[in-house]
Amino acid sequence: YELTQPPSVSVSPGQTASITCSGDKLGNKYVCWYQQRPGQSPGLVIYQNSKRPSGIPERFSGSNSGNTATLTISGTQTIDEADYYCQTWDSSTVFGGGTNLTVL
Amino acid sequence: EVQLVESGGGLVQPGGSLRLSCAASGFTFISYSMNWVRQAPGKGLEWISYISSSSRTIYYADSVKGRITISRDNAKNSLYLQMNSLRAEDRAVYYCVRGEGGSYGMDVWGQGTTVTVSS
Repeated sequence: YELTQPPSVSVSPGQTASITCSGDKLGNKYVCWYQQRPGQSPGLVIYQNSKRPSGIPERFSGSNSGNTATLTISGTQTIDEADYYCQTWDSSTVFGGGTNLTVL
Repeated sequence: EVQLVESGGGLVQPGGSLRLSCAASGFTFISYSMNWVRQAPGKGLEWISYISSSSRTIYYADSVKGRITISRDNAKNSLYLQMNSLRAEDRAVYYCVRGEGGSYGMDVWGQGTTVTVSS
């Protein structure tokens, strides 16, 4: 099973960033999202398509329908500049290739 | 504080072996499934192995199946990864990660330990 993400996304500070993750009938599966800032370990920002773990700001949201899951960051801040990975489960854990979010 | 601390990485020759360890603290280790996830230099995340809380269920990625063994010692709050027949392409940072990997994802990550395979 494969998950496809755009290699890079750019957004201006304060604007909304959308990062997509595509897979066959992905909407029938649960999707999680991870943030990895430069030089750091990844961290979970969204689970079960749209739920935020404790401590994750409300500006992070997620959706999943059809063949595409989307991570949306509203009011993007410079601290949100990072790599983002989607993840699902299909006989085993699968990660997307990652999207580098640039805030400038 | 919930924490995972990996150790055991280093430089190994092609064909060699290495055993990674992960010490868990700050949570009830026996209650959680665990994973190893790796990241090659400049590349994305690759899940490589899963072990259930009781060790009854174990999964491996096809890329490493037959060359690695995951295990855990709940009495010692520790997770292990035995890696054999190492190849240049196994060079990566190896993360110890808590969670099912399913709908709830993997919610706690260690800082990683680096494995380099080179002659």
